[in-house]
Amino acid sequence: SQQGEEDPQALSIQEGENATMNCSYKTSINNLQWYRQNSGRGLVHLILIRSNEREKHSGRLRVTLDTSKKSSSLLITASRAADTASYFCATDAVGSARQLTFGSGTQLTVLP
Amino acid sequence: DTAVSQTPKYLVTQMGNDKSIKCEQNLGHDTMYWYKQDSKKFLKIMFSYNNKELIINETVPNRFSPKSPDKAHLNLHINSLELGDSAVYFCASSQGTPIAYEQYFGPGTRLTVT
Repeated sequence: SQQGEEDPQALSIQEGENATMNCSYKTSINNLQWYRQNSGRGLVHLILIRSNEREKHSGRLRVTLDTSKKSSSLLITASRAADTASYFCATDAVGSARQLTFGSGTQLTVLP
Repeated sequence: DTAVSQTPKYLVTQMGNDKSIKCEQNLGHDTMYWYKQDSKKFLKIMFSYNNKELIINETVPNRFSPKSPDKAHLNLHINSLELGDSAVYFCASSQGTPIAYEQYFGPGTRLTVT
């Protein structure tokens, strides 16, 4: 069954604006990861946050994790047209035997 | 250098045929995966191999059979293809640890069954 669900399903912003995507999940996790998928390409790992971490940064990316609410958010600051892609959260659920369960994705469009 | 490669990139075939997709990784990882992404971009794991041993086998028709000749390769063979098998299939690899670290994905194989 689907573990993570992203919100919104689609997001359209102007270049330079910030983009925020949310992910909710159902079971206890070891870690949560965010991936990007450009059209027609494979997924690329962006950032991993462990269950005992609350916030993590990588360049223009900021990820937060709230295990009490079973939710995470991905913030992309100062967006660029090249950030246009689908973004997926993936959870490594406790007891899942190293299996990642992906959410349904958010399609981000950054308009120049 | 390509980290995870898949062949072919596109595969168009008729119902009832048998086809294979090949995957190779040069990252030295000992865990490899096959995922299926449907037309709504929903990504679902199919199989996972660790050191050539099957560790995840989700509810997948037994027409799908993975084969891992060594830990750098994980191939997917599909028998008696059906229209519903049309999708993009991704291979991925990661370090084998008790928890799942980041996965490296191949470029995908778009399978179209007519």
